[in-house]
Amino acid sequence: GAGVSQSPRYKVAKRGQDVALRCDPISGHVSLFWYQQALGQGPEFLTYFQNEAQLDKSGLPSDRFFAERPEGSVSTLKIQRTQQEDSAVYLCASSPIGDAYNEQFFGPGTRLTVL
Amino acid sequence: GQQVMQIPQYQHVQEGEDFTTYCNSSTTLSNIQWYKQRPGGHPVFLIQLVKSGEVKKQKRLTFQFGEAKKNSSLHITATQTTDVGTYFCAGIMDSNYQLIWGAGTKLIIKP
Repeated sequence: GAGVSQSPRYKVAKRGQDVALRCDPISGHVSLFWYQQALGQGPEFLTYFQNEAQLDKSGLPSDRFFAERPEGSVSTLKIQRTQQEDSAVYLCASSPIGDAYNEQFFGPGTRLTVL
Repeated sequence: GQQVMQIPQYQHVQEGEDFTTYCNSSTTLSNIQWYKQRPGGHPVFLIQLVKSGEVKKQKRLTFQFGEAKKNSSLHITATQTTDVGTYFCAGIMDSNYQLIWGAGTKLIIKP
């Protein structure tokens, strides 16, 4: 079956613009994770959904970042009033189990560049 | 804040030489996972260790979890060009939903 997909793959935004990044997890996967990966660094946790419930959003760096998964499948990460420090690759991962004690399947990521 | 430290940042080896990367945590980990990320790609799961002192092998790869569950290592025997990439460790500390990631070790095969 299909893996995790993300769109767009690349996004260039002017500083101050709002962006929306989409993640389609593997069908039936309970868990959905968002990460931010800066160049040369490991992924940093942003937020976690178990079905439609956002159980952990402690990694969101500011109130400009918002994530949702209203029907427990597709998820959107929204960044308002983008800043240059938001430039990074945003990775989405899903897992069939309802916590982080399991293999996570990653999408290809969205590379965001804020000018 | 809570961190997982990973060393070295880079390792250059001749093809056929061994490679090792080490992870150390400031606090006890509930588990440790290892991922590989090829250049331009996304992380791909390799293995999970849960038990104190656990050792697991996958062909030429050997994974260890320390007795105190604060450190872990990945050792590759006789590296091949297909091993090129960045190897990350990631573990659970407090929240059951958060993996805390190391900065990765990049394996580079010398031409």
